[in-house]
Amino acid sequence: DQQVKQNSPSLSVQEGRISILNCDYTNSMFDYFLWYKKYPAEGPTFLISISSIKDKNEDGRFTVFLNKSAKHLSLHIVPSQPGDSAVYFCAATETDSWGKLQFGAGTQVVVTP
Amino acid sequence: DAGVTQSPTHLIKTRGQQVTLRCSPKSGHDTVSWYQQALGQGPQFIFQYYEEEERQRGNFPDRFSGHQFPNYSSELNVNALLLGDSALYLCASSPISGADTQYFGPGTRLTVL
Repeated sequence: DQQVKQNSPSLSVQEGRISILNCDYTNSMFDYFLWYKKYPAEGPTFLISISSIKDKNEDGRFTVFLNKSAKHLSLHIVPSQPGDSAVYFCAATETDSWGKLQFGAGTQVVVTP
Repeated sequence: DAGVTQSPTHLIKTRGQQVTLRCSPKSGHDTVSWYQQALGQGPQFIFQYYEEEERQRGNFPDRFSGHQFPNYSSELNVNALLLGDSALYLCASSPISGADTQYFGPGTRLTVL
C-alpha cells in the first residue's frame, strides 16, 4: 500500500532553469512532509520540510508547496545547478509517529549544462 | 562531529543465513530508526528504537529484529535470509523531539545469493 507516490521517475532540466518535483499522498493523517536528496553511495540528506498548517516553506533555492485538499506537494529548485543532480525522495509522517517516515519511490533529477 | 555510521558497507550472504548490521547514531541523538531500500524504491520503515526498546514497527516479519545499547548504538538482525532481503539497509538517528532532524547513514548493501 503505497501511501506516498512520486509518479515521475526522472526529470531532466537545464542548468539555471527551474526543477519541479511532484509528490502525492493518500493518507489524510499525514501532517508533516519532508524532502530528502540522495547521492549514490550516500544516505539520504534532509533538504526541507513543511507542516500541514502551512502551504509554503522556502529555504534558499528550495521551496516546498503543500496543497492539502489535493493531497499534493511539490518541490521547486531555482535555479537548478549541476550539483543538484541526485535522487529526490518525498516523505510524510504523522505528528504522533516521529521517525516513521513513509517515502515515495524517488525522482532522479539530472541537471544538464 | 561524526555523523551516523554503519557497518559493514557491503555484505554477501546465502539464503537461510543470519546477518547483523550495526549503526552508531549522530552525537547527541538517542533515537535510531532502520529502513530497507530495495532497488528502485524508496526506503521502507522497519522499526525504531528509543531507550533500548522497540518503539514503533513497520510491516516487516519477525525475522527482522533489533537491539539498542545503552550508548544508543543499534543492531539490526535478520534471520533465515531470503533472496528478497537483498537491499540497502539505512539507519537514521534523531533526537526524540522531531522527525525533521533525522540523519541517515550511508547504508549497508546486503546481497543474498
